[in-house]
Amino acid sequence: SQQGEEDPQALSIQEGENATMNCSYKTSINNLQWYRQNSGRGLVHLILIRSNEREKHSGRLRVTLDTSKKSSSLLITASRAADTASYFCATVVNEKLTFGTGTRLTIIP
Amino acid sequence: DAMVIQNPRYQVTQFGKPVTLSCSQTLNHNVMYWYQQKSSQAPKLLFHYYDKDFNNEADTPDNFQSRRPNTSFCFLDIRSPGLGDAAMYLCATSRDGLAGINEQFFGPGTRLTVL
Repeated sequence: SQQGEEDPQALSIQEGENATMNCSYKTSINNLQWYRQNSGRGLVHLILIRSNEREKHSGRLRVTLDTSKKSSSLLITASRAADTASYFCATVVNEKLTFGTGTRLTIIP
Repeated sequence: DAMVIQNPRYQVTQFGKPVTLSCSQTLNHNVMYWYQQKSSQAPKLLFHYYDKDFNNEADTPDNFQSRRPNTSFCFLDIRSPGLGDAAMYLCATSRDGLAGINEQFFGPGTRLTVL
């Protein structure tokens, strides 16, 4: 299966701290995307990194991609209570997007 | 605002009673997707339309069908819902295929309960 595995499955941190989530996958990809999902809602696209890119930034988000290790990480700096959500990595292979297992992030005020 | 709309947000049906979920988009995107997401799991792609071309996932049960009568609308039909079909159903769109730089835009989802 191409499905990504995310680590950790759940993460609780204090507001203001940084949160790091990791994603591993199995085969070559076209790109990798990160999405956020608030409880019981749809997913929101956060950032896309192409297979020939190594790092991207968007506001407080930093994504890295290591294609040799088939892994990616999402860093959220200076976390806020509103960042509490589930975060999914998703890999694109041949036009198909496959989601990872997700990390449940809880920010403690 | 351009968006993806799903109706209804909550749907209750009886075991074996056909149900239709609706999705519409104002983004004028070529591709529309349906995902099934069970509690605490990743969304699972059921099928997608690239314009009028229907693409079914190999492991999508025959019980699930879809229609896209025009660019804006896409429907998910569950012919005989079972208890195992209770889930959140997510509709998404993308401007074009995903191999390049296209992201998906998701609707808020329809939570289906089967009694």
